[in-house]
Amino acid sequence: DTEVTQTPKHLVMGMTNKKSLKCEQHMGHRAMYWYKQKAKKPPELMFVYSYEKLSINESVPSRFSPECPNSSLLNLHLHALQPEDSALYLCASSQDPYSGNTIYFGEGSWLTVV
Amino acid sequence: AQTVTQSQPEMSVQEAETVTLSCTYDTSESDYYLFWYKQPPSRQMILVIRQEAYKQQNATENRFSVNFQKAAKSFSLKISDSQLGDAAMYFCAYRDSTGANSKLTFGKGITLSVRP
Repeated sequence: DTEVTQTPKHLVMGMTNKKSLKCEQHMGHRAMYWYKQKAKKPPELMFVYSYEKLSINESVPSRFSPECPNSSLLNLHLHALQPEDSALYLCASSQDPYSGNTIYFGEGSWLTVV
Repeated sequence: AQTVTQSQPEMSVQEAETVTLSCTYDTSESDYYLFWYKQPPSRQMILVIRQEAYKQQNATENRFSVNFQKAAKSFSLKISDSQLGDAAMYFCAYRDSTGANSKLTFGKGITLSVRP
């Protein structure tokens, strides 16, 4: 069973909608991540939060806005998305942002933009 | 930049048989970490096994083991006594140790099917 919980599991939104993806981890980890994954492709890193501060933004369009309210929660706010943004969005966490620590993934949120 | 190569897009194995998934990587670093992740149709990315480059001993986890050849930059995964639940996409991944926020670099993945 995953200890990184993502909601919702599925989301369909129009291009003018505003929605959010939520992620919670219960392992006391201090680094959290958002990845985007297209079918049959590896995940692509979007954002990294280290100790609740944004430390990496992989040049993601501003229509994706991350937020880390506390060390256990990570949100991804979505606004004015395009159909090509339809993908699986994976949240992940690790004990801290340093290299040796394993990154643990949630089950993902399937996003469809219509 | 580091790269991870999984050259075979698909493989198939008979239930109860053994299969080896290959992975090579390129890096100029001497200290780093390697991972195999499994992603079944449910889509959750699950850690299968982790190897620390400075350790000579190959990592094992039950039916899963790796053949880590540091000089050859090769990191293959062996699955013994294959089960139907092993059917999934498998990603090899690399993470170096050059400080905080080092990124996880994935290979393209390999789809493993298990024949009953």
